[in-house]
Amino acid sequence: DADVTQTPRNRITKTGKRIMLECSQTKGHDRMYWYRQDPGLGLRLIYYSFDVKDINKGEISDGYSVSRQAQAKFSLSLESAIPNQTALYFCATSDLAEDQETQYFGPGTRLLVL
Amino acid sequence: EDQVTQSPEALRLQEGESSSLNCSYTVSGLRGLFWYRQDPGKGPEFLFTLYSAGEEKEKERLKATLTKKESFLHITAPKPEDSATYLCAVPQGGSEKLVFGKGTKLTVNP
Repeated sequence: DADVTQTPRNRITKTGKRIMLECSQTKGHDRMYWYRQDPGLGLRLIYYSFDVKDINKGEISDGYSVSRQAQAKFSLSLESAIPNQTALYFCATSDLAEDQETQYFGPGTRLLVL
Repeated sequence: EDQVTQSPEALRLQEGESSSLNCSYTVSGLRGLFWYRQDPGKGPEFLFTLYSAGEEKEKERLKATLTKKESFLHITAPKPEDSATYLCAVPQGGSEKLVFGKGTKLTVNP
């Protein structure tokens, strides 16, 4: 079984809809991250969390919110989706006890906002 | 501002034709440089971490090296299955956040 899972893997939604992307991990890592990837722009950090009570904004947090429900779960919400949020979204984890900066990525969620 | 620049953007090789990918960085107090491989539609897969100038790491046909300003990913006698986008990343100065380059898309033709 994969260590980092993301659901759904693909999602099509309409402008203005609220959607949630979910990430779960079985690695036992404390740190979790959400990125988006766009052609030509690379990976950009949206939000990150170093433990259940810690949430931090990344480079491009506007229009997004997150929830860290448990050590193993980190959800990303788009409150009112817009077409320029069409992208590939990745969740990642890392662990302070190991090499804290080595991040392990999930398989991604492909989101299309019409 | 911390930056990571990868070159070339794309590289086409024939099977067996060795080459190198470049990752140059500007960050104060380097605390590691990371290489990832990403297949189309999939998440980045961790390859290597390098911590100090002169360090080298190898995995199959890949060898990563590090200097004070750049890293190289050498690919020796590549095979078509090595085709992927290769990403490098460094921790942003003073934080645990990674800054990623835009990647080099490698295509190895049989």
